[in-house]
Amino acid sequence: QSALTQPPSASGSPGQSVTISCTGTSNDVGGHKYVSWYQQTPGKAPKLIIYEVSKRPSGVPDRFSGSKSGNTASLTVSGLQAEDEADYHCSSYAGDRNLVFGGGTKLTVL
Amino acid sequence: QVQLVESGGGVVQPGRSLRLSCAASGFTFSRFGMHWVRQAPGKGLEWMAAISHDSSTITYGESVKGRITISRDNSQNTVFLQIYSLRVEDTAVYYCARSWQELVLDSWFDPCGQGTLVTVSS
Repeated sequence: QSALTQPPSASGSPGQSVTISCTGTSNDVGGHKYVSWYQQTPGKAPKLIIYEVSKRPSGVPDRFSGSKSGNTASLTVSGLQAEDEADYHCSSYAGDRNLVFGGGTKLTVL
Repeated sequence: QVQLVESGGGVVQPGRSLRLSCAASGFTFSRFGMHWVRQAPGKGLEWMAAISHDSSTITYGESVKGRITISRDNSQNTVFLQIYSLRVEDTAVYYCARSWQELVLDSWFDPCGQGTLVTVSS
């Protein structure tokens, strides 16, 4: 069982917006700004798309945005495109030099 | 370009040990921290360990602490993960990954290598 809770699946039509949640506790998501999100397509390695809650690495489209409220972090994908279909994993610093992940969310573009 | 290539995976019997390697190229390895992350079949990611650029800071995930050792050889541009007393539930793809910033052991990482599959089975 993963430390952070994500919905197993999410979906949306092209052009729509989808938000994926990532719920933890005050010891991890709620207590730190060190939340990140990774995108993973089948058979591929994870790729960092959001770090420090809401920052985007160079090259990541601004359709991807991150936020946090209390113990829940969120990833929003706006203007969904077919290429956004992937698994999305959230991660948080959990104190004592420990990192934790969520179970991952499979995003389907209908 | 940055490249990370893991090796050392395969089929191993329960109770045995295994050492994974990750060869880095395309960047100044000695200036970056490194992580190991694994993914069991059909499951999410699990962070396992991290080591700072100069090996002065080493951290382990709670679920595997005591059964793994992370190390690095900056002269060989390689990071290692030793896993002891392997269990069936250690079956996973193991990824090495570079810490995001130079000289900082970040709480995020990119890029990852393509992974090496470890199957623990009798």
